[in-house]
Amino acid sequence: ETGVTQTPRHLVMGMTNKKSLKCEQHLGHNAMYWYKQSAKKPLELMFVYNFKEQTENNSVPSRFSPECPNSSHLFLHLHTLQPEDSALYLCASSHKRGGLDEQYFGPGTRLTVT
Amino acid sequence: DQQVKQNSPSLSVQEGRISILNCDYTNSMFDYFLWYKKYPAEGPTFLISISSIKDKNEDGRFTVFLNKSAKHLSLHIVPSQPGDSAVYFCAASASGGNEKLTFGTGTRLTIIP
Repeated sequence: ETGVTQTPRHLVMGMTNKKSLKCEQHLGHNAMYWYKQSAKKPLELMFVYNFKEQTENNSVPSRFSPECPNSSHLFLHLHTLQPEDSALYLCASSHKRGGLDEQYFGPGTRLTVT
Repeated sequence: DQQVKQNSPSLSVQEGRISILNCDYTNSMFDYFLWYKKYPAEGPTFLISISSIKDKNEDGRFTVFLNKSAKHLSLHIVPSQPGDSAVYFCAASASGGNEKLTFGTGTRLTIIP
């Protein structure tokens, strides 16, 4: 238990569906992150939020839409996804922005787009 | 272009022996390096880190070595235990404005009892 929870743990959706992934951290951290992990590829950073403000959008397609209503919650809204978007989506948080502080990861949401 | 490389996708080691996981990087701006461990159905968990001002950092059975001239780091686990079986990710970041963690593809370590 890392103090970062993600729901749902598994999600199957069609290409025309709209769904949302939720992340919550109970660590009092200021920064939150979304990562994508595809098979045999490194974790890819998607978005960074620091104090609820988006500070990084790593060239992510607009069919992925993040939302950070407060420092403890992070959402990833999904719409009109493609089969190649099937992956493990990981949320992480850290005490301060940047890579100089270790990030704590949630268990991930395994997404399958059919 | 992969800036952090873990060239061994898998490694098997006898219990009690030393496990050595390797990582190479290409970006000379990287100055902070981390190792994460991941069990199936769980997110990565932080294991140990090292700043570029050091060449070694030790925490119990885990030691990370950094060779800046070779742009190489390694994680040593000794003695290896069955619970160490997991996927290990190397990650790197640069303090000069780039806040991203860049990850390698991981090495699956299997400890043989």
